Amino acid sequence: DVKVTQSSRYLVKRTGEKVFLECVQDMDHENMFWYRQDPGLGLRLIYFSYDVKMKEKGDIPEGYSVSREKKERFSLILESASTNQTSMYLCASTFDRASNQPQHFGDGTRLSIL
Amino acid sequence: GDSVTQMEGPVTLSEEAFLTINCTYTATGYPSLFWYVQYPGEGLQLLLKATKADDKGSNKGFEATYRKETTSFHLEKGSVQVSDSAVYFCALSDNAGNMLTFGGGTRLMVKP
Repeated sequence: DVKVTQSSRYLVKRTGEKVFLECVQDMDHENMFWYRQDPGLGLRLIYFSYDVKMKEKGDIPEGYSVSREKKERFSLILESASTNQTSMYLCASTFDRASNQPQHFGDGTRLSIL
Repeated sequence: GDSVTQMEGPVTLSEEAFLTINCTYTATGYPSLFWYVQYPGEGLQLLLKATKADDKGSNKGFEATYRKETTSFHLEKGSVQVSDSAVYFCALSDNAGNMLTFGGGTRLMVKP
């Protein structure tokens, strides 16, 4: 089974801090994604990556950046955390770009910005 | 752009009741369609999928049929259990890189 591991289940940070959320997958997947999940809004794509050192903006990239230095690891960075970034963050991966490949998700990081 | 619309929840049912969660979509081309489930405190898991018109996806007693003429992918189960209580997400994947577009999610609560 594919395992997608997010480094923290719960995280509390202060406004203005730089926050790192880490995600690691163990199945040599090419594609990795970061979403945020908010009630009633479903999941919204923040950033994604199709390869090492490659990144693309999703639907809501403002206030975020990403890093993919190794194939198995995809990091989400909040450059200067704000209270409106309090949310559940979900990482996902897929083997390749074929549209019928399901995405495999981690358990999520619930981030609170105070 | 692509979009997915789900019925709003919560949906509250008694055990063994019949379940339908409606999902409609708008998309260009021929997307793949998915239902994901999120149990409390966990990430999303793939429940079922369909990749072309008239395909039926099924898993764990859940079914959904890809209806291109009505642009729908409704989720059904004949007899729900308390353990089915979760949030269900309908999603579509484009044909240019496996980008997922999600509906807003529907919370299902099943009472014994």
